[in-house]
Amino acid sequence: NAGVTQTPKFQVLKTGQSMTLQCAQDMNHEYMSWYRQDPGMGLRLIHYSVGAGITDQGEVPNGYNVSRSTTEDFPLRLLSAAPSQTSVYFCASSYSGNRDSGYGYTFGSGTRLTVV
Amino acid sequence: SQKIEQNSEALNIQEGKTATLTCNYTNYSPAYLQWYRQDPGRGPVFLLLIRENEKEKRKERLKVTFDTTLKQSLFHITASQPADSATYLCALDANNDMRFGAGTRLTVKP
Repeated sequence: NAGVTQTPKFQVLKTGQSMTLQCAQDMNHEYMSWYRQDPGMGLRLIHYSVGAGITDQGEVPNGYNVSRSTTEDFPLRLLSAAPSQTSVYFCASSYSGNRDSGYGYTFGSGTRLTVV
Repeated sequence: SQKIEQNSEALNIQEGKTATLTCNYTNYSPAYLQWYRQDPGRGPVFLLLIRENEKEKRKERLKVTFDTTLKQSLFHITASQPADSATYLCALDANNDMRFGAGTRLTVKP
């Protein structure tokens, strides 16, 4: 049982380059989300999805795109990377009944992105 | 605007004592409040969840309280151990939009 898998673990991009951060989960969770974590600012929600074909914006969506074509995968796309997007990115997933059952989110191990 | 504040960026305590971490929020009506542990270089790990209609939840040495009138949650670790040293995050969950506090870095000294 792999849980939430994020790739790559580290990435350096030049300003203006594009890339996709991958997130996959094998727990059949309907809910998936992307956060970025910056020093002193905690985790900030970028985008989330409550199921295949459904996505919504979080607190800091600008500069990022997402799609959810399958239950398992929720990629995050940076179309034109900027230095302000240097951060650690975390993907999380949850079964919709988890909170009612008293359980929270499962997080991946993160992708450390540097934009130069 | 919505705000989540975890009082104390850092907390140092002696082994065996009870650690108490605070999470205050404004302009939120969360259905759930969650606490996570994060170790350096790792993703957050879920610890406890408490619903808006619950006052207290316990799990082993952990206890969480939730006061929706005060808009505050307290997170307690009893009989603390050096292995409890980590950053602890509170998160407010309202309709699939979960927001986190900046965290409190706990250090338990032997």
